[in-house]
Amino acid sequence: EDQVTQSPEALRLQEGESSSLNCSYTVSGLRGLFWYRQDPGKGPEFLFTLYSAGEEKEKERLKATLTKKESFLHITAPKPEDSATYLCAVPMTTDSWGKFQFGAGTQVVVTP
Amino acid sequence: DSGVTQTPKHLITATGQRVTLRCSPRSGDLSVYWYQQSLDQGLQFLIQYYNGEERAKGNILERFSAQQFPDLHSELNLSSLELGDSALYFCASSSDGGVSDTQYFGPGTRLTVL
Repeated sequence: EDQVTQSPEALRLQEGESSSLNCSYTVSGLRGLFWYRQDPGKGPEFLFTLYSAGEEKEKERLKATLTKKESFLHITAPKPEDSATYLCAVPMTTDSWGKFQFGAGTQVVVTP
Repeated sequence: DSGVTQTPKHLITATGQRVTLRCSPRSGDLSVYWYQQSLDQGLQFLIQYYNGEERAKGNILERFSAQQFPDLHSELNLSSLELGDSALYFCASSSDGGVSDTQYFGPGTRLTVL
């Protein structure tokens, strides 16, 4: 069964204190791993898609990397506006249509 | 702003009632998805449509139904509502609905069942 596990559940950072979030998955034949940011009461906002091991993508203070079993979202020198819940998702392997399995998310709080 | 619109933003209703949530996809997108997000369950896939046809189903209750219309907007109908149906309901859209297609989410509808 496809599973997506995110850790830690919550992360409290001082402004400027870099850290990493983890997303581990158990799917056969990964067909993409997606990172989203979600603010409270809002819809998930797309950040990155990674397709193959070794791939990296960056956007401002965020950098996503992918291995064969997990993905990391690195937050470099975070600012309070980076506070959000970060979700990762992978397509389920049961068919060729776009059913995503989401992880439970990592809630990040960045304090000044 | 993802370009996906959802109405209404908030909905408060009573148990046993029926409601309809509406979604308009991004311009040019042919596929629409519905997700439910509650505190204890996280983001759960409900159903996917592509160009008017149902393509994938998740853990959608029989009391729930959806459709996608010729103009590509979609509606999610929830009936015989229970307290446990209170949640955020999100619509997402993608260009062709393929397994590796990026899904863009709308702002959501918050449903409260009293």
